[in-house]
Amino acid sequence: DAGVIQSPRHEVTEMGQEVTLRCKPISGHDYLFWYRQTMMRGLELLIYFNNNVPIDDSGMPEDRFSAKMPNASFSTLKIQPSEPRDSAVYFCASSFGALSGYTFGSGTRLTVV
Amino acid sequence: QKEVEQNSGPLSVPEGAIASLNCTYSDRGSQSFFWYRQYSGKSPELIMFIYSNGDKEDGRFTAQLNKASQYVSLLIRDSQPSDSATYLCAVNDQAGTALIFGKGTTLSVSS
Repeated sequence: DAGVIQSPRHEVTEMGQEVTLRCKPISGHDYLFWYRQTMMRGLELLIYFNNNVPIDDSGMPEDRFSAKMPNASFSTLKIQPSEPRDSAVYFCASSFGALSGYTFGSGTRLTVV
Repeated sequence: QKEVEQNSGPLSVPEGAIASLNCTYSDRGSQSFFWYRQYSGKSPELIMFIYSNGDKEDGRFTAQLNKASQYVSLLIRDSQPSDSATYLCAVNDQAGTALIFGKGTTLSVSS
């Protein structure tokens, strides 16, 4: 199993630009989660999907953030326009079932200058 | 606001000692509890989970849960330098799905 695959690994962009982060969950997993990690705030849940349907997006900071899951094997997190305070490591994770542990992807380190 | 609290550390122990990591949570309805290990620059990896009060052992690791005190701990016996990492405590929310993470405790094991 290739695990959860995220791309890109690193992204450096200028303030105001659109950023798209991508995630391929483990095949057969029915839950997909997007988290953001910073030193100050730790791991914060942004949004999660069950069977491709968004369940809870209350963690999305503001309207500049959006996430989609068009099918069971692909999800995107988009930031438009990006701001320096969005700089963080963004993790995608997936799981099979509601109570099992998550498998995390390698993360995308986003730097907005 | 559901919260998971951990002492940020660093917790320093000599090689071969027992490391004790602690976590408290605010939501009394929480059902499942997880410990993740995160090496610097890497993603979190699951090492233990526990659902019932008491102890659960897996190799050198023991997870302890006390729901009445809203307290979870992780013991690492015979600590090794390779155990040096940040340990994240995670608790599910009332819906039984998305995990809420603590900020983690940094463990340093010296040889």
